Amino acid sequence: DAGVIQSPRHEVTEMGQEVTLRCKPISGHNSLFWYRQTMMRGLELLIYFNNNVPIDDSGMPEDRFSAKMPNASFSTLKIQPSEPRDSAVYFCATHRGRSSGNTIYFGEGSWLTVV
Amino acid sequence: EDQVTQSPEALRLQEGESSSLNCSYTVSGLRGLFWYRQDPGKGPEFLFTLYSAGEEKEKERLKATLTKKESFLHITAPKPEDSATYLCAVQATGANSKLTFGKGITLSVRP
Repeated sequence: DAGVIQSPRHEVTEMGQEVTLRCKPISGHNSLFWYRQTMMRGLELLIYFNNNVPIDDSGMPEDRFSAKMPNASFSTLKIQPSEPRDSAVYFCATHRGRSSGNTIYFGEGSWLTVV
Repeated sequence: EDQVTQSPEALRLQEGESSSLNCSYTVSGLRGLFWYRQDPGKGPEFLFTLYSAGEEKEKERLKATLTKKESFLHITAPKPEDSATYLCAVQATGANSKLTFGKGITLSVRP
């Protein structure tokens, strides 16, 4: 099992540029989460998909952030335009679904720096 | 709103010096309490899930326990390789499967 795959692992961009982060979930997992981690606030949920449908996007900070899951094998998190305060580690996490246990597995993260 | 508080923020132990990490939580209804380990530059790695008060789970030098208000991660005779950040999270009952995390406890074990 390849695990949750995220890309890019590291991204440095200038303020105002568009950033796209990508996630490939574990095969067969039908729930997908995007989390953001900072020193000040820890891990915060941004958005949660179930069967490719957004269920809870209450954590998306503002309209500059958007997320899509066009199919069961792929999700993107986009920031446009990016700002220095968006600098953080963005994690994608997935699980198989409630009927198969609750363990949520994380990717290695995308380290974003906006200068 | 679900809340998770972990203490202390950081803990330094000598190799072999046993200790406990605390996780206090408030949640409308608990489906599960999770412990993760996170190494620098890595994503959180799953350790345990606890579902009801009184439950205990063990893995090598780690033992997790659960009450109605808190969970403890006991570390027995730690080794330097146990150095990491330990995260606690709760999952509430209901349709939403999201985890709400504490800020973590950074553990350093000196040889």
